Amino acid sequence: KQEVTQIPAALSVPEGENLVLNCSFTDSAIYNLQWFRQDPGKGLTSLLLIQSSQREQTSGRLNASLDKSSGRSTLYIAASQPGDSATYLCAPKGDNFNKFYFGSGTKLNVKP
Amino acid sequence: NAGVTQTPKFQVLKTGQSMTLQCAQDMNHNSMYWYRQDPGMGLRLIYYSASEGTTDKGEVPNGYNVSRLNKREFSLRLESAAPSQTSVYFCAILTGGKDEQYFGPGTRLTVT
Repeated sequence: KQEVTQIPAALSVPEGENLVLNCSFTDSAIYNLQWFRQDPGKGLTSLLLIQSSQREQTSGRLNASLDKSSGRSTLYIAASQPGDSATYLCAPKGDNFNKFYFGSGTKLNVKP
Repeated sequence: NAGVTQTPKFQVLKTGQSMTLQCAQDMNHNSMYWYRQDPGMGLRLIYYSASEGTTDKGEVPNGYNVSRLNKREFSLRLESAAPSQTSVYFCAILTGGKDEQYFGPGTRLTVT
């Protein structure tokens, strides 16, 4: 079974700082990897999806990278803002439509 | 969460009571999913439906039943609720092509 680990579990940074969230997974045979944002009491919002054949994907201040062979993905947030405060989850997808696995997330707090 | 709706948003049940959680999508996708989210455990797949009329068990199906009577709706039923089923329940759909998941806003269930 795929095991997904996100480190750190929590992170507090001052506004304006660039930061990196880490996601590691044990089975490199993935189809894609998705990064989500979850605000307290809310659902998951898709941020970025990287296909297994891609190395990076960018959306605004967010950049996600994927190193499938080493079982790692990172989410880079540039010039962090208080509005970025949320929990970020990564989810690698296996080769079947039912093979989704989620990390426990990194809770980010950006201080004004 | 546009396109995936869940009802109710909140529910309190007593042990042994039954209820059905409803999920509907307006995006005409085949695959739908039910997850539960518990603190420190990430999201775990309960049941999924690859297409209308088909359902299959996920990682934690015990105590639940599902129904996919049409393409738009996927319901989750608790026949005899237990305190261990206190959780936040999320419905999700899978888009074609990129296999990207989109989530509903969730149902927060407490069983006393």
